[in-house]
Amino acid sequence: QKEVEQDPGPLSVPEGAIVSLNCTYSNSAFQYFMWYRQYSRKGPELLMYTYSSGNKEDGRFTAQVDKSSKYISLFIRDSQPSDSATYLCAMSETGANNLFFGTGTRLTVIP
Amino acid sequence: EAGVTQSPTHLNKTRGQQATLRCSPISGHTSVYWYQQALGLGLQFLLWYDEGEERNRGNFPPRFSGRQFPNYSSELNVNALELEDSALYLCASRQLAGYYNEQFFGPGTRLTVL
Repeated sequence: QKEVEQDPGPLSVPEGAIVSLNCTYSNSAFQYFMWYRQYSRKGPELLMYTYSSGNKEDGRFTAQVDKSSKYISLFIRDSQPSDSATYLCAMSETGANNLFFGTGTRLTVIP
Repeated sequence: EAGVTQSPTHLNKTRGQQATLRCSPISGHTSVYWYQQALGLGLQFLLWYDEGEERNRGNFPPRFSGRQFPNYSSELNVNALELEDSALYLCASRQLAGYYNEQFFGPGTRLTVL
């Protein structure tokens, strides 16, 4: 079993839709949870991070962590064509130096 | 502030050859990570260097090696190339004093083994 599981998609939505991206994980020691966005032919860029359980909002983006279910989500409201990219979840233990990544979900927002 | 840079952008090699990939971290960052991103497999951790030392390596054979120079730039070497080594190789840097593991990525080197 992989440490981090992520549905690879692809996911296509119309402009303005709410997008839900999800990851599950098996290591209960993970405490830091991150979402990276990767445009085609570019390196990943950090979008959001959360520590332990709870929600975090930044503009149109909301990250949720449910440690009891070992499940994290990224919601994108009012999706835009510029949101079209691959979204990768990543997580690590406290004090650890390795990040464990999901395989990424490819999202296309259709104008 | 300049980001993480990697060279070359693309690299074409034949099976059995050696490849050398280079990475320059963000100024002030002492840690450099290397990842392999193969199609459908996500980012697989390869190597972590900090202060010139190899600190950890992922589940890759010894023909994947590297080093970190005194200016914190890094080099990844892949010997005896195999077809399945074709992938995007990403370098990331981090300021180790950060309280969480935020890594900043470069654009990657696309290695194609023919």
